[in-house]
Amino acid sequence: DADVTQTPRNRITKTGKRIMLECSQTKGHDRMYWYRQDPGLGLRLIYYSFDVKDINKGEISDGYSVSRQAQAKFSLSLESAIPNQTALYFCATQGGANVLTFGAGSRLTVL
Amino acid sequence: RKEVEQDPGPFNVPEGATVAFNCTYSNSASQSFFWYRQDCRKEPKLLMSVYSSGNEDGRFTAQLNRASQYISLLIRDSKLSDSATYLCVVNSIGAGGTSYGKLTFGQGTILTVHP
Repeated sequence: DADVTQTPRNRITKTGKRIMLECSQTKGHDRMYWYRQDPGLGLRLIYYSFDVKDINKGEISDGYSVSRQAQAKFSLSLESAIPNQTALYFCATQGGANVLTFGAGSRLTVL
Repeated sequence: RKEVEQDPGPFNVPEGATVAFNCTYSNSASQSFFWYRQDCRKEPKLLMSVYSSGNEDGRFTAQLNRASQYISLLIRDSKLSDSATYLCVVNSIGAGGTSYGKLTFGQGTILTVHP
């Protein structure tokens, strides 16, 4: 099993729908992150959490919310999806020496 | 100015070539630096950390220049399997100089190695 698991891997939805992307990890790390990746823009930070009670906005948090249900679980929600949220979303955990371990990604298409 | 900037390329080089990428960062207080590799449609994976004195891992050499605020990655004897996007990553520093460990990515440099 992967250290960081994201579900769903692919999702197509319509404008206005609520979407949740889930992330779970088996590495026992406190720190977890959500990034989105768009062509030519690299990875941009949406939200990050340093422990279950600590959640912080990243550079592009508008239109997104998160929930840290447990140390191992960090979910990203789009309350009302819009087409410019079409992107590849990555969850990551951070261990020693600030190294990130990523999930395989969730590709979201909003029509 | 972006916090972390890379030349997006693409770099197209023949097998066996030596290729170098640079990455500049804007926060002089940044403390941790990394190169990640990302294959097409896959997740980024750590290639190597970058240490102040420079470090080498096989065909890969990373350098840090704090005075000019850039890091570099040198790949010698390029292989076809080196074709990927290389991401420069820098950590952010919070108030009071504390390291939050929040990492900022450059937009990536695309490398294609051809026969």
